[in-house]
Amino acid sequence: TQLLEQSPQFLSIQEGENLTVYCNSSSVFSSLQWYRQEPGEGPVLLVTVVTGGEVKKLKRLTFQFGDARKDSSLHITAAQPGDTGLYLCAGEDYQLIWGAGTKLIIKP
Amino acid sequence: NAGVTQTPKFRVLKTGQSMTLLCAQDMNHEYMYWYRQDPGMGLRLIHYSVGEGTTAKGEVPDGYNVSRLKKQNFLLGLESAAPSQTSVYFCASMGQGNQPQHFGDGTRLSIL
Repeated sequence: TQLLEQSPQFLSIQEGENLTVYCNSSSVFSSLQWYRQEPGEGPVLLVTVVTGGEVKKLKRLTFQFGDARKDSSLHITAAQPGDTGLYLCAGEDYQLIWGAGTKLIIKP
Repeated sequence: NAGVTQTPKFRVLKTGQSMTLLCAQDMNHEYMYWYRQDPGMGLRLIHYSVGEGTTAKGEVPDGYNVSRLKKQNFLLGLESAAPSQTSVYFCASMGQGNQPQHFGDGTRLSIL
């Protein structure tokens, strides 16, 4: 069974701090997607990384796909309260394999 | 600008009751999915469909049935609800190719 482990499960930090969320697996994926989910809503796609070593930036969010396409990270610079939410990674094989998520709270 | 619409948004059932959750998408997507989301466990795939008239089992199909009679609709049925099926249910749809999944806002279901 393929597994995607996300860490940390929960993170609460002050506005302006930097943070990194990790998504790790022993399996190779053809691509990896990051979603953000807000309370009472479904997940919304942030980015898809496809190539090993690929780095994508979305304003203050930086996403990296590991060289071996088994892991990924999300780094947020100068976090803001609007970044609060549940961050989910999903690895694509023949279907999506979901991580359990990182619940992020940014305190003003 | 509807996207994926799930009904109902909330429901409370008694053990043994049956119900159907409806998912409708207006994006002409081929693929549709039903997930359940429980605290600390992320999204788990219940059933999915790769096109009208076809369905397949996901990771946790027991106790659920689905139907895809029309391309735009994907129904999830609970024949005899159990407390273990208390969860938030999400429907998603996806177009062909390397596309993201588009989610509805979920149905919060409690089984007493």
